[in-house]
Amino acid sequence: GQQLNQSPQSMFIQEGEDVSMNCTSSSIFNTWLWYKQEPGEGPVLLIALYKAGELTSNGRLTAQFGITRKDSFLNISASIPSDVGIYFCAGTLGSSNTGKLIFGQGTTLQVKP
Amino acid sequence: SAVISQKPSRDICQRGTSLTIQCQVDSQVTMMFWYRQQPGQSLTLIATANQGSEATYESGFVIDKFPISRPNLTFSTLTVSNMSPEDSSIYLCSAGLGGVDEQFFGPGTRLTVL
Repeated sequence: GQQLNQSPQSMFIQEGEDVSMNCTSSSIFNTWLWYKQEPGEGPVLLIALYKAGELTSNGRLTAQFGITRKDSFLNISASIPSDVGIYFCAGTLGSSNTGKLIFGQGTTLQVKP
Repeated sequence: SAVISQKPSRDICQRGTSLTIQCQVDSQVTMMFWYRQQPGQSLTLIATANQGSEATYESGFVIDKFPISRPNLTFSTLTVSNMSPEDSSIYLCSAGLGGVDEQFFGPGTRLTVL
């Protein structure tokens, strides 16, 4: 099936550092979404991107929809301990109109105070 | 956005039994989905729950094992039938508002099969 390659798989950083993670695919996507999942919870939507080249911020989070429509990145600036969690990219394929999401493998973020 | 609740939040079940998970949305939504998240893994779509018709299952998932109901625009159930330890996972429902691809997730049901 279709795959989203998300990297890095995990990150262990110092509080205050910036973080960057990305997702790539060989297929074209209509939509890129970034979610955060904390232990014992469902994923929470952080940012949604709908246009190639779109750059969107949500507080300290910034995400971009790649020009080729095959990739997206998420940056977190000045990390804090509550940023800990698993970050997932997800998207809908360009060839699909079913609303089905394909998820990346996740990036586990740990922040050292 | 939509607020989604699931029941039960967790359960421990015996092999061979079945469990029905309920998903309730606080508003009418166009799309509802069921996902499985195995320990330490990402989310895998099980099926799209269609209101008033049979669910649309993804490759590797079948109706006999995962029957789904969606009687209205705010409620759906997923049954995990004839369970085995390999069914131990988190089961999540999500809702889409239609017109956009954003999905909002419930807190999940943590299932352990002994």
